[in-house]
Amino acid sequence: TQLLEQSPQFLSIQEGENLTVYCNSSSVFSSLQWYRQEPGEGPVLLVTVVTGGEVKKLKRLTFQFGDARKDSSLHITAAQPGDTGLYLCAGVRESNYQLIWGAGTKLIIKP
Amino acid sequence: NAGVTQTPKFRVLKTGQSMTLLCAQDMNHEYMYWYRQDPGMGLRLIHYSVGEGTTAKGEVPDGYNVSRLKKQNFLLGLESAAPSQTSVYFCASSYVFSEETQYFGPGTRLLVL
Repeated sequence: TQLLEQSPQFLSIQEGENLTVYCNSSSVFSSLQWYRQEPGEGPVLLVTVVTGGEVKKLKRLTFQFGDARKDSSLHITAAQPGDTGLYLCAGVRESNYQLIWGAGTKLIIKP
Repeated sequence: NAGVTQTPKFRVLKTGQSMTLLCAQDMNHEYMYWYRQDPGMGLRLIHYSVGEGTTAKGEVPDGYNVSRLKKQNFLLGLESAAPSQTSVYFCASSYVFSEETQYFGPGTRLLVL
């Protein structure tokens, strides 16, 4: 059973379209991180969200932490081929300080 | 700064063989981690270390051993490889345990026949 569910598992869209991917759990997290991983490389941190309801923007990427700190979303505006990769979320469970990883959303942006 | 490096990049083993994966970091991080990544499973923590000379079990430690004799190095050993250990192995390091940014190496792809 995956403690952090990411959806969709796979998404392929055309350049210029908008998209949202989700990271959901029944656990409460003290913080949640989003990473991007490119083929043949390790994950690289994009952002950390800490406060319920927090919104962080990184150029065309908008990250939101749910009010109850159980879920998060990543919205990409006007997607570009350079956004292609595996997007992973990871949350620190408030109950036991354990870092939990989602399985990832594989995103392909076609030119 | 090389960051986190891993050797080897790719290895093929026969069932029952042993090997050691080496991870090195030059950021003076106290915390180091070994993960395995399998399709549809996400990253799963094998073992971690909170400092030189200390190690602890993660989520999936069976079949693996680790050592942290020097602060900058974290070794992952497979004593008797099994096909179920075919995976991509990532090493990571951080300043603070779990909650802080983890810096990952490029991974080691292991195939056990």
